[in-house]
Amino acid sequence: GAVVSQHPSRVICKSGTSVKIECRSLDFQATTMFWYRQFPKQSLMLMATSNEGSKATYEQGVEKDKFLINHASLTLSTLTVTSAHPEDSSFYICSASLHEHSSYEQYFGPGTRLTVT
Amino acid sequence: KQEVTQIPAALSVPEGENLVLNCSFTDSAIYNLQWFRQDPGKGLTSLLLIQSSQREQTSGRLNASLDKSSGRSTLYIAASQPGDSATYLCAHSGAGSYQLTFGKGTKLSVIP
Repeated sequence: GAVVSQHPSRVICKSGTSVKIECRSLDFQATTMFWYRQFPKQSLMLMATSNEGSKATYEQGVEKDKFLINHASLTLSTLTVTSAHPEDSSFYICSASLHEHSSYEQYFGPGTRLTVT
Repeated sequence: KQEVTQIPAALSVPEGENLVLNCSFTDSAIYNLQWFRQDPGKGLTSLLLIQSSQREQTSGRLNASLDKSSGRSTLYIAASQPGDSATYLCAHSGAGSYQLTFGKGTKLSVIP
């Protein structure tokens, strides 16, 4: 149980275009989903916290107009990188917390490798 | 600012050895501490979660301990195998919060 999927696993896009990444909780409902990015040999940095039906909360330094997050249902959150640039190339990972789960445990997706050329 | 430090950054051991990975944190009011495994280019696999009221958790050859007073956690791997080679990350959440603060990880290589 507690499986999280991401799609696509890899994407290459041209500079200036937008790309959407999906994060789904497959066998549970997630009231809260998180988006992280990870640069090579670095740890995960939280970008934003997404609650179903409300606006995402972004971490300091993360541009909300560039990284659009939509949490439309209890099983789906999307991250859209708008007007992508090469410096946006990174590994993006989402996670989801079980609905009303008291331990606040997060379950992570397999990640999406974004390369902007 | 909360910080999580993992030492060493990299570790290479021969197969069969027992080993300990270290994690230290500055936030004394942590809620959960989790250990994850990450294979190259992959997402995170949760290994063990220790809640603030607990002192350790065990799963198979893995044992994780938590000492909140000293701000430390250790991950003990018994009888290491080449398949254990990966980066191990520790992370903690604050009281009443879902947000996780991660360390940079320890890259483990188990040599056959």
